[in-house]
Order: sequence, then C-alpha cells, then structure tokens
Amino acid sequence: SQQGEEDPQALSIQEGENATMNCSYKTSINNLQWYRQNSGRGLVHLILIRSNEREKHSGRLRVTLDTSKKSSSLLITASRAADTASYFCATLAGGTSYGKLTFGQGTILTVHP
Amino acid sequence: DTAVSQTPKYLVTQMGNDKSIKCEQNLGHDTMYWYKQDSKKFLKIMFSYNNKELIINETVPNRFSPKSPDKAHLNLHINSLELGDSAVYFCASSSSTGDQPQHFGDGTRLSIL
Repeated sequence: SQQGEEDPQALSIQEGENATMNCSYKTSINNLQWYRQNSGRGLVHLILIRSNEREKHSGRLRVTLDTSKKSSSLLITASRAADTASYFCATLAGGTSYGKLTFGQGTILTVHP
Repeated sequence: DTAVSQTPKYLVTQMGNDKSIKCEQNLGHDTMYWYKQDSKKFLKIMFSYNNKELIINETVPNRFSPKSPDKAHLNLHINSLELGDSAVYFCASSSSTGDQPQHFGDGTRLSIL
C-alpha cells in the first residue's frame, strides 16, 4: 500500500516566490527522502532526513520532519523556472527494510518566469 | 559520465512478446533496484539486489525476472508482455541496503500495443 501522501498535488507559482510541499506517512520510519523528477528523466535525490532529525538545509531547500505527526515539508525558497519538476517524498521504514523506499504520489511544481 | 544507464530508453512491442531492459551503474554501489512508474507517476519498487543477491522481491508477476550478473549490472526480463505492463521502468543504485540516497537512471518507457 502507498505510504506517503503529498499535498498539494500541483502547485503553480511565480519566479522568486517560495514553494512549500507537504508529505504525510503512516508507519514509523528510518529516514525520509525528497527527490525531484524533471519531465522524461529519472529521479534526483535532494535531501535525506533521519528520524531523529527535525530540520535540514541544502542551498535553497529546507526540509522539516515531525515524527509525532508523521509528516514532512519541503520548502524551496526564491524559486526559479528551472525548479519546475515533480517532487516526491519517500520513506524508508524502521527496522530491516533493505532500502525499500515507499514513494508518495508527488507534487507537480510549475514556476512561471 | 552517466552514473546509472538503462537501455533501451524506449521499447514499443506487441502483447505476448518477451523483452529485456538492461541497467549498468559506474558508481561502485553494491545495491541495485528496479522500480515501476505508472501513468499517474506512482513509483513502486519491484526488486532489489545486494552484491548479486536478491533481497527485495515485491508482489510482482513471475513473468518479471531480474538478473544480476555482477554488482554493476541488473537486468530485467519480462515474458509474455501484457497491456498492463506499459509503464516507465527505472533502475537505481545505492551504496548500502537502504540508509543512503538512491541514484536513478533515466528510465525505459515500455509501450505495449
């Protein structure tokens, strides 16, 4: 069954604005990862946040994790047209899960120049 | 240099045929994966190999058979193709059995006529 649900399903903003995407999951996790997928391409890893971490930054990206609410958010600041892509969260379950990532359905982000 | 490469990029074939997709990674990783992405962009893991040993085998029809001749290669053979097999198939690799980011190829778009 699908682990994560992402919200919103689609987001349309102007260049320079911030974009926030949310992810909820159901079971306990080892870590949560965010990936980007450009049209016709494979997924590219953005950030990994472990279950004992609450916030991580990478350049213009900020990820938060609230394990009590089983939710995470990805903030992209000062967005650019090149940020236009689908964004997926993926969870690695706690315990022995052998790299079995469970993906959400993704948020389609469109950044208008 | 391409880190995870899949061939072919596109595969168009008739129902009932048998086809193979090849994947190679030059990252020195010891774990490789196959994912299926459906028309709604939902991504689901199918198989995973660690050091040529099968460690994840999801509920996939036995018409799908992965083979890993060595740590750098993971192929997917599909027998008796059905219309429902139409999807994009992604190969990925990581440096451990789950706690690390995964690196994806650009996918093989399989269309069944």
